[in-house]
Amino acid sequence: DQQVKQNSPSLSVQEGRISILNCDYTNSMFDYFLWYKKYPAEGPTFLISISSIKDKNEDGRFTVFLNKSAKHLSLHIVPSQPGDSAVYFCAASGGGGSNYKLTFGKGTLLTVNP
Amino acid sequence: EAGVAQSPRYKIIEKRQSVAFWCNPISGHATLYWYQQILGQGPKLLIQFQNNGVVDDSQLPKDRFSAERLKGVDSTLKIQPAKLEDSAVYLCASSLVGNQPQHFGDGTRLSIL
Repeated sequence: DQQVKQNSPSLSVQEGRISILNCDYTNSMFDYFLWYKKYPAEGPTFLISISSIKDKNEDGRFTVFLNKSAKHLSLHIVPSQPGDSAVYFCAASGGGGSNYKLTFGKGTLLTVNP
Repeated sequence: EAGVAQSPRYKIIEKRQSVAFWCNPISGHATLYWYQQILGQGPKLLIQFQNNGVVDDSQLPKDRFSAERLKGVDSTLKIQPAKLEDSAVYLCASSLVGNQPQHFGDGTRLSIL
């Protein structure tokens, strides 16, 4: 049972426009959500996170929105740049205790065309 | 700040052979994780260490996989004997404390022939 779902395997956007990547989760115990970016042959790189007590977090061109009632989060990149082309993973953790393991989605390949 | 170091970057072995991976986390990071990423999937946690103690190894196939974290710093992950389905990228990650963003190494790509 996949607890974190990224239903779009790929997304193509023009340079300068907005990229919106979506993620849904099913486990109501998740309380911390992260986005990672991954280039080929490299490990995932942390981008931005959001706690369940917030509904928005912004860092430069990157904004993450969280809708707890819908169990949905999204990553907005504005403006998109060719260097943003990568696989983006949504991840979640929660459940308390000392277990902070991340549950990942399958990823969305973003291509930003010049 | 130096990132998470992993070696080797690539490994090719035949099924039933054994293999070991090494990870050196970011200095001062108490929590260390090993993930397995199969092609087309997101990373899946195998084991989590807090200092040199195991916090979660519920998804580690213990009949063939083992891991240790010597003195709460470096860690090794071993597979013995390897199966075809173990072909994947093995990622090591570390975090400063608890619920902080995890920082990943570049991984070891394992191919089983």
